[in-house]
Amino acid sequence: DTEVTQTPKHLVMGMTNKKSLKCEQHMGHRAMYWYKQKAKKPPELMFVYSYEKLSINESVPSRFSPECPNSSLLNLHLHALQPEDSALYLCASSQDRRGPQETQYFGPGTRLLVL
Amino acid sequence: KNQVEQSPQSLIILEGKNCTLQCNYTVSPFSNLRWYKQDTGRGPVSLTIMTFSENTKSNGRYTATLDADTKQSSLHITASQLSDSASYICVVSAMDSSYKLIFGSGTRLLVRP
Repeated sequence: DTEVTQTPKHLVMGMTNKKSLKCEQHMGHRAMYWYKQKAKKPPELMFVYSYEKLSINESVPSRFSPECPNSSLLNLHLHALQPEDSALYLCASSQDRRGPQETQYFGPGTRLLVL
Repeated sequence: KNQVEQSPQSLIILEGKNCTLQCNYTVSPFSNLRWYKQDTGRGPVSLTIMTFSENTKSNGRYTATLDADTKQSSLHITASQLSDSASYICVVSAMDSSYKLIFGSGTRLLVRP
């Protein structure tokens, strides 16, 4: 199983809503990532979890709150978002062996629209 | 500064034709280079991965090359199909920062019938 799944596929929310994005992998990977991707731009790293601990936070606003309940699951909690936060949110995972063959596997993404 | 540059920015070819996409990078210390295919609105899918010692890697109709001396890579697509229409992203990883991938801006390929 080389699949990373994400739910929901699409999400529309108002600026006062609270919602969560979910990501799951069953490849035994120990590193999980959240990326934000705007149209026609490369993905931008937001957070990295390594062995269920937050390893990297790329100065992301606090209205985005990540959570890693276990090694297979990664959540991104959203609260009081702005219209400019509308984007494709990608989850990825990797083995976390930090060798030259390390490859990140991406999920299909959640298309988020903030009204 | 670690950077990855791709060319062309966009490309239109006829179905059945071949094409080559280019990637130049200035990433040090180099760990690996990957080519990803990304369909619109979907997550990137890994096509190939090459380390410093590898200079070519194939995956079906996709063949990637790497010249570590000149810090250049190419992705050659043979006998293109309509389903090849997508963005192709060159991604480089540095030894000292395996979590942080350096992404190129991608080449948007359109294959026409």
